[in-house]
Amino acid sequence: DAGVIQSPRHEVTEMGQEVTLRCKPISGHNSLFWYRQTMMRGLELLIYFNNNVPIDDSGMPEDRFSAKMPNASFSTLKIQPSEPRDSAVYFCASSFGTSGRSSYEQYFGPGTRLTVT
Amino acid sequence: GQSLEQPSEVTAVEGAIVQINCTYQTSGFYGLSWYQQHDGGAPTFLSYNALDGLEETGRFSSFLSRSDSYGYLLLQELQMKDSASYFCADPLRRRDDKIIFGKGTRLHILP
Repeated sequence: DAGVIQSPRHEVTEMGQEVTLRCKPISGHNSLFWYRQTMMRGLELLIYFNNNVPIDDSGMPEDRFSAKMPNASFSTLKIQPSEPRDSAVYFCASSFGTSGRSSYEQYFGPGTRLTVT
Repeated sequence: GQSLEQPSEVTAVEGAIVQINCTYQTSGFYGLSWYQQHDGGAPTFLSYNALDGLEETGRFSSFLSRSDSYGYLLLQELQMKDSASYFCADPLRRRDDKIIFGKGTRLHILP
């Protein structure tokens, strides 16, 4: 298996621009997570999908952030408009869980390093 | 609220043993996971403790004590490649509860 795939690996954009991050989870996994990691705040869960349905989006910072999972093999995280404080590494992770709960073992993608100038 | 506390940094010598502690305050706690993250890399799963006691996987072991709300990761025969950050996590989402990670412990290994 190729593991969790994220694109792009690096993104540099100007403040105010729209940014779209993409994720392909491991085939067969039914839970997908978007995390943001910074030195100051550590690893923060932004949103969690189970069977393509958003279960918990309370970590999404504000309305500028949105996430979709149109099918089991693809998810996007969009920031519009982007701001310098959004600069971080964004990870996507997937796992297999049952009964609406994620497995304790999550597989992380390589991350997207976002820089907003 | 829910939280996991771990030291920000730990230093040890190559070949030695080191213990990274994690204390937690979470409701409806199910278990504790541990992840390793090298600089520039992604977190990778190391272990999970659902029950009290020690789980051993090669040079790495993880321990959980529910009565003390405490766990630790034990690394033996330290190698330079073990230099990384280690995160404890409460990974199972319960109804209306969050999946949370500790802030991570940076392990420095001296030759």
